[in-house]
Amino acid sequence: SQQGEEDPQALSIQEGENATMNCSYKTSINNLQWYRQNSGRGLVHLILIRSNEREKHSGRLRVTLDTSKKSSSLLITASRAADTASYFCATERTGGKLIFGQGTELSVKP
Amino acid sequence: DSGVTQTPKHLITATGQRVTLRCSPRSGDLSVYWYQQSLDQGLQFLIQYYNGEERAKGNILERFSAQQFPDLHSELNLSSLELGDSALYFCASSVATGAVGDSSYNSPLHFGNGTRLTVT
Repeated sequence: SQQGEEDPQALSIQEGENATMNCSYKTSINNLQWYRQNSGRGLVHLILIRSNEREKHSGRLRVTLDTSKKSSSLLITASRAADTASYFCATERTGGKLIFGQGTELSVKP
Repeated sequence: DSGVTQTPKHLITATGQRVTLRCSPRSGDLSVYWYQQSLDQGLQFLIQYYNGEERAKGNILERFSAQQFPDLHSELNLSSLELGDSALYFCASSVATGAVGDSSYNSPLHFGNGTRLTVT
């Protein structure tokens, strides 16, 4: 069963716009991670936020975590065509299992 | 390049057959994970090994088995294959042990490019 659920399932924006993806989960977590997947390729780790952190930045990425609402968001600012990919949130539970959501398919049009 | 190597890249086989997928983890990583990705099920966690020992188990069918060898490479064996087993199989590695309280606990996974299995 999936732990994280991303919203929206698909997002289409113009280059230069910001893209926001949300993730909700059900059980307590140790950390939440965001990954990116280009079509047919392996997943690439973007950012990890621990359960005691509320916000984290990495370049054009900003991740927030609200453990009271069991939700996280990933913001990509000033998006580029190269950001076109699927984005997954993943939650790490006790025992090291990393469970992925269904992903958000982002399309950035030039 | 993640440093994780998976072979083969593509595999086409018939129902009822058995295949072996191979994974070499990133240098220094002792944990290996296997995931299955299909359109209808998404990314499913199958199993994790740490330094040769099974550490966590997910939605792995009884027809599937895995092991991690002393040189840390891992193999995923899929037997009595069915059409529904067609999927992308990913291997990932990390420094995490899966042990609660371990300083490497909050560690990202590094994924290989996967093996695309087609069962006909």
